[in-house]
Amino acid sequence: DADVTQTPRNRITKTGKRIMLECSQTKGHDRMYWYRQDPGLGLRLIYYSFDVKDINKGEISDGYSVSRQAQAKFSLSLESAIPNQTALYFCATSDLPLAGINEQFFGPGTRLTVL
Amino acid sequence: RKEVEQDPGPFNVPEGATVAFNCTYSNSASQSFFWYRQDCRKEPKLLMSVYSSGNEDGRFTAQLNRASQYISLLIRDSKLSDSATYLCVVYTSGYSTLTFGKGTMLLVSP
Repeated sequence: DADVTQTPRNRITKTGKRIMLECSQTKGHDRMYWYRQDPGLGLRLIYYSFDVKDINKGEISDGYSVSRQAQAKFSLSLESAIPNQTALYFCATSDLPLAGINEQFFGPGTRLTVL
Repeated sequence: RKEVEQDPGPFNVPEGATVAFNCTYSNSASQSFFWYRQDCRKEPKLLMSVYSSGNEDGRFTAQLNRASQYISLLIRDSKLSDSATYLCVVYTSGYSTLTFGKGTMLLVSP
């Protein structure tokens, strides 16, 4: 079984709809992240959480919200989806940095299309 | 402000060729450096960390030049399976997160 899973893997929705993307991990990591990836723009950080009671905005948090329901679960919500939120969304996890190493483990991604 | 910059490519090389990618970063306080690999429509995965003294992992060699703030990745004897996008990644403790470059695409042809 994959260590980091994302559901759904693909989603097509309409402008104005609320949508939730879910991420679960079995790695036992405290740190979790949400990124979006757009062609030509690379990976951009939306939100991150270093433990269950910690939520931090990333580079592009407008239009998104998150919930850290448990150590293993981190959900991303689009309250009212718009077409420019069409992108590939990745969840990632990491342990505490150790000796300068801060490897992040990514889920398989969710391809979201907003019509 | 572009924190991590890479040539997007694509770099088209034949099998067996040696190819090198460079990456520059803007924050001199950055502490740790990595190369990630991303196959088309797949998740990024860590390829290797980059150490100040340079490090090698099989056909892959990574170098760091702190004075000039650039990182390099050298791939020797390219394989078809090396075709992917290579992401330069920097960790700066004040930001507590990784900063990803936009990636360099490599296409290895028979």
